Order: sequence, then C-alpha cells, then structure tokens
Amino acid sequence: AQSVTQLDSHVSVSEGTPVLLRCNYSSSYSPSLFWYVQHPNKGLQLLLKYTSAATLVKGINGFEAEFKKSETSFHLTKPSAHMSDAAEYFCVVSANSGGGADGLTFGKGTHLIIQP
Amino acid sequence: SQTIHQWPATLVQPVGSPLSLECTVEGTSNPNLYWYRQAAGRGLQLLFYSVGIGQISSEVPQNLSASRPQDRQFILSSKKLLLSDSGFYLCAWGGYSGNTIYFGEGSWLTVV
Repeated sequence: AQSVTQLDSHVSVSEGTPVLLRCNYSSSYSPSLFWYVQHPNKGLQLLLKYTSAATLVKGINGFEAEFKKSETSFHLTKPSAHMSDAAEYFCVVSANSGGGADGLTFGKGTHLIIQP
Repeated sequence: SQTIHQWPATLVQPVGSPLSLECTVEGTSNPNLYWYRQAAGRGLQLLFYSVGIGQISSEVPQNLSASRPQDRQFILSSKKLLLSDSGFYLCAWGGYSGNTIYFGEGSWLTVV
C-alpha cells in the first residue's frame, strides 16, 4: 500500500521569496516520486521526478525537490517565487512493484498563491 | 516527440444526454492510457486505465464507460449523464509501472 500527504492545502508567499511545498509519502516498495503543476483550467504538467538516482532532483522553471528516505519526504522548493508560479501543485508516488498502470497515488494538491 | 490530444475542451450537456470524450496519443506505441476526473475542490480520481486495445480496467463503479478501439485512442462515454458527472476530465498516457505519465489539456464537462 502507498499514500501521499501534502501537508498544506494553501501556501502564500511574496514574489521573490522562497517557496516550500511539503509532501510526505509512504510506500511498501522503493517509490518513484513526482511533482506536477496545474494552472487554471489546464492539464497537469510534469515539474520533476525522482527514480532512485540522485536524491536532489532539479526540474523545470527553477524548481527542485529532495528525496529524504529517513523522513519519507519529497518537498518541493524554489529560491525565488514568480507570479507565474501561482498554480496547483500535486505530489505523486508510484510504487516500483511491477504493478502496472494503476500504481499511482496523487496527493490532494497545494494551492500556491503569489503575492505581488 | 510524444503528444496527447483531448477534445472537446468544453462541453455543456443536459441531464440524460450521451457523452463522448476522445483522446489520442502520437509519437509512441502501445502506451498505457488513463482517464481521470477532477471534481471541484478535490484531487484526481482515476476512472479507467488501459494497457492495450480492448483492455479496460475500471477503478470505480459509475455512470461512465471507456473504450480503446485503436492503440492510441481512448474514449470516455456515457449513455445518460447525471449532474454528478460534471467535472474536469483528464486523459493521460504513460509507460509501464514507475514511469512518468503525461496529461492532456483536459475537458470541462458541465451537466445541466
């Protein structure tokens, strides 16, 4: 069994300040972990993914995330927020168990608000 | 490169009417295909997935059905829509377990 918890439903930061979106997971197997971003009325776009290589993963648009097995966390960060970062962010865990197409579990999302 | 197309983008349908949402993928063969629903204020719910032509698995019992008539085509249907079918529907494709999935732009369905 696996689960993912996004610890904040809403995060508000000022433009130019750091962003931290928190994600904790549980998995019976060595997981793959993903962050997706969804702008209003759009599909989900992949930001970055962790698949048991380097624990610090760099993604698009200046985002990065660090896999911490001891803390079962995969928090998303960005040094300096931009207005265009305002969106919904989803943390996703996928069990590398050979289970196939239905092995993905999505978090409930974090709404990122950027204050001017 | 791979692309995914989903249509229509927006749909307003009366209760009891039929539904057909289409999704096609280009640039890959034998993809896993998915239909998700995102209701207002909620996360994503997996509705159907398919690992091949004619192979459909349903995650939740509901008023909807899915079909995969061709390798890269995935269709979401209903014979009679309910108000509760309203939502944002997302098609996605991906490889085998642990691989990334990629989403289409989504289809807004409003049942009135």
